[in-house]
Amino acid sequence: DSGVTQTPKHLITATGQRVTLRCSPRSGDLSVYWYQQSLDQGLQFLIQYYNGEERAKGNILERFSAQQFPDLHSELNLSSLELGDSALYFCASSVGALAGKETQYFGPGTRLLVL
Amino acid sequence: GDSVTQMEGPVTLSEEAFLTINCTYTATGYPSLFWYVQYPGEGLQLLLKATKADDKGSNKGFEATYRKETTSFHLEKGSVQVSDSAVYFCALSDPTSGTYKYIFGTGTRLKVLA
Repeated sequence: DSGVTQTPKHLITATGQRVTLRCSPRSGDLSVYWYQQSLDQGLQFLIQYYNGEERAKGNILERFSAQQFPDLHSELNLSSLELGDSALYFCASSVGALAGKETQYFGPGTRLLVL
Repeated sequence: GDSVTQMEGPVTLSEEAFLTINCTYTATGYPSLFWYVQYPGEGLQLLLKATKADDKGSNKGFEATYRKETTSFHLEKGSVQVSDSAVYFCALSDPTSGTYKYIFGTGTRLKVLA
């Protein structure tokens, strides 16, 4: 158990809909990272927040947005969903902001299926 | 840009066999290198890391050495067990590029047979 929690575990929805994925980092960790894992794209970094502020951006679509709240939990919002958005979405956390030097702890993931 | 290339899987070995999973990277600066492991139905876990050239990361019998001259970070284990069956990801992060992003390889699935 990494200490990172994600809800829900599974999500099934229809094209065009909007969903929210939630992540609670390990106690004491200030950074939260979001990743998308799909069969054809592999593991893609989406976005990082550090202590409430956006820190780094990866291959995140404009239809997706995220935020980190004062209690440090984070939400990833996915809107106008398409079939290709079906994937595993992972959240990870680390103590500080420097991803290069720090260990990231991953949650168990949310499996999203868009029908 | 920065990238990571891993050997294609799946890799199928018998128990107690020697394991090598190749990983090479391209980076503009001086990256840190990582191996993560993903067991079925779980998230990724850090297996080992190395933050500078010639460093050797090791954990649970796995080892990898940061080779700057060959831009490689190959994962090795002398004697695999069935419980090592998982997907292994090589990753890099290059803070000198200013992006602080992790870049993952495509993953290599390892299957160990009893």
